Amino acid sequence: DVQLQESGPGLVKPSQSLSLTCTVTGYSITSDYAWNWIRQFPGNKLEWMGYISYSGSTSYNPSLKSRISLTRDTSKNQFFLQLNSVTAEDTATYYCARSDGYYIMDYWGQGTSVTVSS
Amino acid sequence: ENVLTQSPAIMSASPGEKVTMTCSASSSVNYMHWYQQKSSTSPKLWIYDTSKLASGVPGRFSGSGSGNSYSLTISSMEAEDVATYYCFQGSGYPLTFGGGTKLEIK
Repeated sequence: DVQLQESGPGLVKPSQSLSLTCTVTGYSITSDYAWNWIRQFPGNKLEWMGYISYSGSTSYNPSLKSRISLTRDTSKNQFFLQLNSVTAEDTATYYCARSDGYYIMDYWGQGTSVTVSS
Repeated sequence: ENVLTQSPAIMSASPGEKVTMTCSASSSVNYMHWYQQKSSTSPKLWIYDTSKLASGVPGRFSGSGSGNSYSLTISSMEAEDVATYYCFQGSGYPLTFGGGTKLEIK
């Protein structure tokens, strides 16, 4: 069965970078699909942040384009989120998810909570 | 950006009652998808391609719509349906979610 698991620090200081890892088991991230990051703010608004495809191409939400970078380590079947210059407004639960060619996200991680605070 | 507006934001229904919630898109989309999220859990794909039920979704759920207007209907409310439902569009970038409809039971 496909499983995704987010990991990373739960607390990040303002102006620093937020770095999260999504570890995928049960499916190779280089076989197919796109591998997404989505966040959910306090108050429950969901925001799609971007994806890295099975081929390594990326697509980002324009609202984040200058601060976000998605990369991967195919040997470990992991993909990564880096968000630079964070502020308190980046406090959220961060999810990784798999999506098909129509961007339907069928498998999600359990989410990891990140607080931006000094 | 295609803004998805869900209504109502919060609703409650009695067991056995029919429930309908809507999602309005600022730009026309080919399909709408829906996610169910229960407290402290990740969203689950619930309805895709407007009207197809994801695996394991009870048959009392249905989806419909086209263009800018879509809906999710529960034919007979059950306690296990308490959750927040989000619509989602993958027709254009950036991919966007609606603000959610929180469904409670009376």
